[in-house]
Amino acid sequence: EIVMTQSPVTLSVSPGERATLSCRASQSVSSSLAWYQQKPGQAPRLLIYDASTRATGIPARFSGSGSGTQFTLTISSLQSEDFAVYYCLQYNNWPPLTFGGGTKVEIK
Amino acid sequence: EVQLEESGGGLVQPGGSLRLSCAASEFTFSSYAMSWVRQPPGKGLEWVSTISGSGGSKYYADSVKGRFTISRDNFKNTFYLQMDSLRAEDTAVYYCAKDPYYDSSGYMYRGYFDYWGQGTLVTVSS
Repeated sequence: EIVMTQSPVTLSVSPGERATLSCRASQSVSSSLAWYQQKPGQAPRLLIYDASTRATGIPARFSGSGSGTQFTLTISSLQSEDFAVYYCLQYNNWPPLTFGGGTKVEIK
Repeated sequence: EVQLEESGGGLVQPGGSLRLSCAASEFTFSSYAMSWVRQPPGKGLEWVSTISGSGGSKYYADSVKGRFTISRDNFKNTFYLQMDSLRAEDTAVYYCAKDPYYDSSGYMYRGYFDYWGQGTLVTVSS
């Protein structure tokens, strides 16, 4: 099973600042990595797939990078609606599909 | 717009059974793999099970293998999760989710999820 580790667990950022979230895989997942945003009481929303491709309707301030075992989600200028929990998901080698533990982006 | 709507959640005693349903609309249901993902209260996301568009391939997390059964009815645009021998640790919001890969034969899929339902809460407690 591929273990996905996200860091930090909590990220405190001021509106307008840049946020950088990390996701590390226990073995290579190539570029088969997706990022999701989840707000309280809501279902997750797909942001990025194939490590760097934005999903339909996702603002350009969200970008993904990385391959192999190290991945990054960058939010270039945080808006109020971006404060949420973010999860990475690997789909290169499954079952099982595995999520990271999540990073909570909170207002500083 | 793709629509996914779960139903069937509720309170059940340990050792009991429950069947979740996910009704899909606004896409060619039989051409997409579908999955269940769960989230215990206050915790992260856990993949539970996936079924191919044709229904011929099914996958399960080790934590539910032998207790849960995924199935689909492509005529009703609905898929299911039969949950037996339920345990307290199965308590979670259960989401249904759609794979993004279109395959008219119903055999291929990517493994991530582009659309999710709003979730249904399953509580296992005496």
